[in-house]
Amino acid sequence: DTAVSQTPKYLVTQMGNDKSIKCEQNLGHDTMYWYKQDSKKFLKIMFSYNNKELIINETVPNRFSPKSPDKAHLNLHINSLELGDSAVYFCASSLSKTSPHTDTQYFGPGTRLTVL
Amino acid sequence: QKEVEQDPGPLSVPEGAIVSLNCTYSNSAFQYFMWYRQYSRKGPELLMYTYSSGNKEDGRFTAQVDKSSKYISLFIRDSQPSDSATYLCAMSDGGDYKLSFGAGTTVTVRA
Repeated sequence: DTAVSQTPKYLVTQMGNDKSIKCEQNLGHDTMYWYKQDSKKFLKIMFSYNNKELIINETVPNRFSPKSPDKAHLNLHINSLELGDSAVYFCASSLSKTSPHTDTQYFGPGTRLTVL
Repeated sequence: QKEVEQDPGPLSVPEGAIVSLNCTYSNSAFQYFMWYRQYSRKGPELLMYTYSSGNKEDGRFTAQVDKSSKYISLFIRDSQPSDSATYLCAMSDGGDYKLSFGAGTTVTVRA
């Protein structure tokens, strides 16, 4: 009955590789997000999609490309991985894009990416 | 300077103590203020949400917002070991779809 799920939970890979993280929500929400949490626990928005449309695209290297095949899924593809990409990546969803404050964001369990 | 400043701690208190957490911010347009709790190796979950200035109470938790000082607080009364977690403040101006998070404060409640 997981509301927001992510796979994989852990990802260890070499510099230069390409990897993908998948996210799925079964809450019927319209809006999904990707966040990056660094080693100091600082959580920063990367992207947001509303009904498969990109609505937030923060200053993120273009090696990161989100893809939303449908409104229940938001995947994150990372090309040419670098050491600095090591972090925990969280997917989240909310009912709509209208009110990020009144529409609670539900977070997935995170994907711990380690780039060697 | 970060938009939202939060002391990362760590903070260690005995069971039953009052835990006091706070954040300061620089963007005077912020109107919506939230506190998230994050257990180790889990995603954040919304704990409390406050609009504009004032206080809000929910059980053992009280959130306060002072917009004139750009300062928000979270108080946990009668703290329990199960309150041990990282607490992140988050805020929004309501004009776009983004939340700005603090760095989180790690709290340990000792039994």
